[in-house]
Amino acid sequence: DGGITQSPKYLFRKEGQNVTLSCEQNLNHDAMYWYRQDPGQGLRLIYYSQIVNDFQKGDIAEGYSVSREKKESFPLTVTSAQKNPTAFYLCASSISTTGELFFGEGSRLTVL
Amino acid sequence: GQQLNQSPQSMFIQEGEDVSMNCTSSSIFNTWLWYKQEPGEGPVLLIALYKAGELTSNGRLTAQFGITRKDSFLNISASIPSDVGIYFCAGQLSGTYKYIFGTGTRLKVLA
Repeated sequence: DGGITQSPKYLFRKEGQNVTLSCEQNLNHDAMYWYRQDPGQGLRLIYYSQIVNDFQKGDIAEGYSVSREKKESFPLTVTSAQKNPTAFYLCASSISTTGELFFGEGSRLTVL
Repeated sequence: GQQLNQSPQSMFIQEGEDVSMNCTSSSIFNTWLWYKQEPGEGPVLLIALYKAGELTSNGRLTAQFGITRKDSFLNISASIPSDVGIYFCAGQLSGTYKYIFGTGTRLKVLA
């Protein structure tokens, strides 16, 4: 099936630890995005990538890092520098930087 | 960051009723997207709009791209219990990669 796969779906982390969230797509989309979702707020952009080996900071990039070594993959690392990392994280992709945006199932990170 | 004004925040309706929600902004968009999200899941794309004035349907759902390119609405006709969820809009700013998201409308349908 074509789509966007995020893993893990649930993740618990102790304070001070880095964690990496996986995002893989088999839609042959050029652009990939990471969003953070908090209750009562709209989605906020963390990072996006238009092509392989290139990515740009979004509105709330501090404390996060990404890589785009392959077209299909866009992993997000939540570092210990992120002050409030507990949230629902959504990966998305689009065929270019215009048009329809498709989301994965999400990963819920809880910091203990 | 920017957000879209989406209203209403929540709705409680009887099964069979029609529903309307809208998003407005001071910015101009070249694309409007409408999504449905259920608890703990990723958003599912319902309708995409690309032209000012465009009216598009997907089953019982109808959405329109406002003529000013600053607003959009979504209608759901003859609601059923499985329509329950959070609906939100997204607009893509003209000439940019950036999508701006509404805060969502929580819909509850009473059987």
